[in-house]
Amino acid sequence: SQQGEEDPQALSIQEGENATMNCSYKTSINNLQWYRQNSGRGLVHLILIRSNEREKHSGRLRVTLDTSKKSSSLLITASRAADTASYFCATDVLPLGGANSKLTFGKGITLSVRP
Amino acid sequence: DARVTQTPRDKVTEMGQEVTMRCQPILGHNTVFWYRQTMMQGLELLAYFRNRAPLDDSGMPKDRFSAEMPDATLATLKIQPSEPRDSAVYFCASGFWRAEAFFGQGTRLTVV
Repeated sequence: SQQGEEDPQALSIQEGENATMNCSYKTSINNLQWYRQNSGRGLVHLILIRSNEREKHSGRLRVTLDTSKKSSSLLITASRAADTASYFCATDVLPLGGANSKLTFGKGITLSVRP
Repeated sequence: DARVTQTPRDKVTEMGQEVTMRCQPILGHNTVFWYRQTMMQGLELLAYFRNRAPLDDSGMPKDRFSAEMPDATLATLKIQPSEPRDSAVYFCASGFWRAEAFFGQGTRLTVV
């Protein structure tokens, strides 16, 4: 079953604009991660934010985490055509009664950046 | 340049045949995941291993799927017998516990 849900499902913007993608999840997490996938290839890790962190930056990426709302957002600033891809949030979840966490993914957001 | 290697890249098989997918995780990683990706279901976690021990395979249809890690350099996912609904892209990923996962390029399985 999906732990995370991304919103919106699809996003189309003009090059140079900012893209904001949201993720909501259901249970407590150890960390939340964002990944990118190009055309059905393997996913590539973008950024990880721990449950005790609120904001993190990496280049043009900014991730926020609100554990009280069980939500995260990924902001890509000054988007480029090359940012066109699918973006996934993944949560490192500690199963109920379990000692070993696992990484589960949402269904993804399709981002199109028009030149 | 360390990477996760999956073989084969593409597999077309007839219904009822056995399919074996292989994964070489990045050396030193202690966690290996198997995921299945379809348009309808997205990325589903099938099974994962930590230090080669299977931890959770609740995402797998047990009657036909099996996942093993015979040694630290090889993880396998078998389907026997295969069915058309198994058609999907299967990804292997490896990493350290509670850290980012590194994905292979996937095996695109088509069962006809």
